[in-house]
Amino acid sequence: DAGITQSPRHKVTETGTPVTLRCHQTENHRYMYWYRQDPGHGLRLIHYSYGVKDTDKGEVSDGYSVSRSKTEDFLLTLESATSSQTSVYFCAISVRGQETQYFGPGTRLLVL
Amino acid sequence: QQPVQSPQAVILREGEDAVINCSSSKALYSVHWYRQKHGEAPVFLMILLKGGEQKGHDKISASFNEKKQQSSLYLTASQLSYSGTYFCGTEDGANNLFFGTGTRLTVIP
Repeated sequence: DAGITQSPRHKVTETGTPVTLRCHQTENHRYMYWYRQDPGHGLRLIHYSYGVKDTDKGEVSDGYSVSRSKTEDFLLTLESATSSQTSVYFCAISVRGQETQYFGPGTRLLVL
Repeated sequence: QQPVQSPQAVILREGEDAVINCSSSKALYSVHWYRQKHGEAPVFLMILLKGGEQKGHDKISASFNEKKQQSSLYLTASQLSYSGTYFCGTEDGANNLFFGTGTRLTVIP
């Protein structure tokens, strides 16, 4: 157990509304990641963070922003949700970059 | 940069063996293997670093051929608990993991 929680675990929202997903870790790991998982696409990296206030884009970052004001929390925000952002979102952590990543339980998001 | 996995799906009887392949068009620094049960998070199985070393985890092992930019996961004497979707993740040397689309493994009695 890597001490990762995600909230909410399930969310239904409407197109155009802002949504924030939270990832919380208890291990003080430096690296945190947000992925989305869709059928036929596997896991795709949205954004990642390598420290407080240090973030970078992944391969599918359009429409998403992130913030990390504390080591333990990594927030993913959909500024204006669209139906194409319906997905399962996973947070992951690693002790150092380029090393094993441990995943949180996931958040199922449905955008109507 | 997404690696290609094969096969996409495989059905085994208990006790049979399987091989799952992962290949990339880019140079690889490491390969990570995960298993995901339906409705759950991916769970780390093993990581292989440059050097072609083979690793093992119970009756699951893997190899990494960096020259060919390929990795293979070997499942020996499969058990019902091996069922799930297996993902390889290839690391590009810049803190990013690129995951394949997965191989769905079903073990039947």
